[in-house]
Amino acid sequence: EAGVAQSPRYKIIEKRQSVAFWCNPISGHATLYWYQQILGQGPKLLIQFQNNGVVDDSQLPKDRFSAERLKGVDSTLKIQPAKLEDSAVYLCASSWTSGRSTDTQYFGPGTRLTVL
Amino acid sequence: AQKITQTQPGMFVQEKEAVTLDCTYDTSDPSYGLFWYKQPSSGEMIFLIYQGSYDQQNATEGRYSLNFQKARKSANLVISASQLGDSAMYFCAMRGTFSGGYNKLIFGAGTRLAVHP
Repeated sequence: EAGVAQSPRYKIIEKRQSVAFWCNPISGHATLYWYQQILGQGPKLLIQFQNNGVVDDSQLPKDRFSAERLKGVDSTLKIQPAKLEDSAVYLCASSWTSGRSTDTQYFGPGTRLTVL
Repeated sequence: AQKITQTQPGMFVQEKEAVTLDCTYDTSDPSYGLFWYKQPSSGEMIFLIYQGSYDQQNATEGRYSLNFQKARKSANLVISASQLGDSAMYFCAMRGTFSGGYNKLIFGAGTRLAVHP
């Protein structure tokens, strides 16, 4: 079974530029998550989708971050314009559902973003 | 508020010995799940083990076991017979019906484990 796929693996941009990350979850997983992991910290949830609907985006900086999952499968996370503090690893994860505390989230390899 | 605490920023262990990584949590939810993930230098978060709040027995997965003490709100990870490939960051995480029932996964700050030959 293929795991969670993410691209690109690395991205370097200058501040005020825009950037987009792509994620393809494990086949059949209804729930998709985007996390931000700043160096030296644990991941922090940015947004959670159930199929193609948003169920939690309370920690997404909506003035510059946006995400979509139009067909309920793959997803795109965008930052526009980027700030220096956005330098982090962006992790995508998926799970079967979000309805039970037992559901295990499986993570992709992440995208390491550096903003100069 | 829900919180995960990992008090050991770094741990060292000799190859083939056992090591315990500490994790304490705080929640008022009666139903929750506790997870451990491994993050090698490559960056991917690898799921290791899960413990449910209602599980009577401690979870085990190969060389990994979870020492679950509900009254103390602790969920320590025990790695037996450490291998060089176990060197990585280890994150404890908790999931429950927080903030309106969306089953958020909340992570601790992590513990960096170094296995020495």
